[in-house]
Amino acid sequence: GENVEQHPSTLSVQEGDSAVIKCTYSDSASNYFPWYKQELGKGPQLIIDIRSNVGEKKDQRIAVTLNKTAKHFSLHITETQPEDSAVYFCAASKKTSYDKVIFGPGTSLSVIP
Amino acid sequence: NAGVTQTPKFQVLKTGQSMTLQCAQDMNHNSMYWYRQDPGMGLRLIYYSASEGTTDKGEVPNGYNVSRLNKREFSLRLESAAPSQTSVYFCASSDVVSGNSPLHFGNGTRLTVT
Repeated sequence: GENVEQHPSTLSVQEGDSAVIKCTYSDSASNYFPWYKQELGKGPQLIIDIRSNVGEKKDQRIAVTLNKTAKHFSLHITETQPEDSAVYFCAASKKTSYDKVIFGPGTSLSVIP
Repeated sequence: NAGVTQTPKFQVLKTGQSMTLQCAQDMNHNSMYWYRQDPGMGLRLIYYSASEGTTDKGEVPNGYNVSRLNKREFSLRLESAAPSQTSVYFCASSDVVSGNSPLHFGNGTRLTVT
C-alpha cells in the first residue's frame, strides 16, 4: 500500500525566512497531493493541493512542487510569519480510492519573531 | 456555517468503559470519516462512510464501531475502552466519493483512557 514519508519532523526558521517541507510517496498510481495545516487545538485545514498533471502550484506565499518521476513533493512557504507556526501534514491519494488518503507523520514549524 | 462539529471536546474514561463520539456536518457532504491522531504517526483512518447507509473499515478499525445515522451525522463508539485508544479523534467529511476531494475536519475529541 501507499506510504508517505515527511521531513523534517521539526523546523525552526526566523521570521521572514523561507521554509521547505519535503514528502515522498511510494505508490506511483497516487495522483492527488494535499497539504494540511493544523494549529494548536484545532483540526487540520487544507491549505493547498496539487494534482499529478501539474508540476507546481502557487497561492500567495505558499507553493507546492511535484516530481512524479522521483515520487516526491514539497511545500514552500516564503516570507514566513509567526502565524505560520503550526503542524503541517502532506498526504497522497488515488482518485479511485476514497478510503486511502495516506498522511505523512507531520512537520512542526516554528517561526521565531 | 459550523462545518464539522464534534462532541465532546475532552473525555476521560476508565479501562472497560464505553462511550460514543458524535460528529455532525452541515455542508451536505456525502462522505464522512473518523481518524485518530497519535504523536509522530500522522492521521490514521479508523472507519469511513462513503454515503448514507454505508460504512467500511479503514486502517485501524479494531476496538471501534460506527453508525451513519443520516447524511449529517456519523458516530464512533468504543465498546470497551483500552489505554491504547488514548488519542485525539477527528471526524472529517468530503464532498464526493473520491480520493481527490479535500477533507474538512472538526476540532477533535481528546480522549484519555486510564
